[in-house]
Amino acid sequence: DVKVTQSSRYLVKRTGEKVFLECVQDMDHENMFWYRQDPGLGLRLIYFSYDVKMKEKGDIPEGYSVSREKKERFSLILESASTNQTSMYLCASTLDRGRTRNTEAFFGQGTRLTVV
Amino acid sequence: KQEVTQIPAALSVPEGENLVLNCSFTDSAIYNLQWFRQDPGKGLTSLLLIQSSQREQTSGRLNASLDKSSGRSTLYIAASQPGDSATYLCAVRGQGAQKLVFGQGTRLTINP
Repeated sequence: DVKVTQSSRYLVKRTGEKVFLECVQDMDHENMFWYRQDPGLGLRLIYFSYDVKMKEKGDIPEGYSVSREKKERFSLILESASTNQTSMYLCASTLDRGRTRNTEAFFGQGTRLTVV
Repeated sequence: KQEVTQIPAALSVPEGENLVLNCSFTDSAIYNLQWFRQDPGKGLTSLLLIQSSQREQTSGRLNASLDKSSGRSTLYIAASQPGDSATYLCAVRGQGAQKLVFGQGTRLTINP
């Protein structure tokens, strides 16, 4: 069974803290994504990675960075957490090798981050 | 820029009814369209993936159709059950893009 696992379901952090959200997939997928989901705004893409050490900004990258040192792991970093980063964070992955572009996206269970 | 719209935002129906959820998108140059289910406070569960060359996909009581030329997809749920209550999201992947663009979702409530 395919699986995307996020390290935490719930996190509470203080303003100004450095926060790491971890995501691991066991499907040997090339692409990995970080989205945030907010009421009324839907899912918005923060960053994605199409290969190890490769990354591209999404629609709302400000205040975030990412790291992908191994193919299976994609980390989202909040350098200095702020209250407006309180949100549900969702990690996803897709296979994207050669002609196999028509493949499903799989999501993790989500991390509810509260910054106080 | 691709935009995805889902109407209605919320739907409440009695148990046993057949129902249709709608999704529309502005750019027909897509690789695929995917329907997801999201329970409160949880992640997204993939329901159906329709590739751009396909017209429909079926899984159990679910049937999704795709009309690329008109920029529309529907998710048909047969014989609805209270356990179907959730938010349903559609997302499209544009040609040449890796990311998915999501609609806002339809919050479905099935009343016993």
